Amino acid sequence: DVKVTQSSRYLVKRTGEKVFLECVQDMDHENMFWYRQDPGLGLRLIYFSYDVKMKEKGDIPEGYSVSREKKERFSLILESASTNQTSMYLCASKGVGNSPLHFGNGTRLTVT
Amino acid sequence: LAKTTQPISMDSYEGQEVNITCSHNNIATNDYITWYQQFPSQGPRFIIQGYKTKVTNEVASLFIPADRKSSTLSLPRVSLSDTAVYYCLVGDNTNAGKSTFGDGTTLTVKP
Repeated sequence: DVKVTQSSRYLVKRTGEKVFLECVQDMDHENMFWYRQDPGLGLRLIYFSYDVKMKEKGDIPEGYSVSREKKERFSLILESASTNQTSMYLCASKGVGNSPLHFGNGTRLTVT
Repeated sequence: LAKTTQPISMDSYEGQEVNITCSHNNIATNDYITWYQQFPSQGPRFIIQGYKTKVTNEVASLFIPADRKSSTLSLPRVSLSDTAVYYCLVGDNTNAGKSTFGDGTTLTVKP
């Protein structure tokens, strides 16, 4: 069974801090994704990566960057956290072709 | 990207069949239709996927008409544990698989 692990379930950070959210998958998937989920706004794609060192912007990349140095790991970086980045962050991975997305259980980030 | 529209919420009772319809009028030729289930404080979980006609697995069926502009997720004999948010996702089958989630349907199953 595919396992997508997000390093933290809950994080509390201060405004202006640099924040790293880590995600690891164990199925050798090429594709990895970062979403944020907010009440009333559903899941919105921030960034995705289809290969090591490759990245593409999703629908809401502003204020975020990503890093994929190894195939199994995809990091989301908030260079300078702001209160409007308080949200649930979900990582997902996907194999080739029509295979479905496999999600982690999310990191609930609070920026104060 | 194909935009999807689903009902915001639905109520049902245990033992009933539930049908949730998703509209995706501008679905592209290469797009597949995938449904996910999400419980509170968890990530979405894959339920079923299809391209056309009907697909059935151990938990659900997916009906897709010939024009593919909509799809219907059918959950047979729901139980209280099926209370969740259900998302329809339409996307292509390339490696990047960039797809857009709809707003989801909150299904509440009552005893």
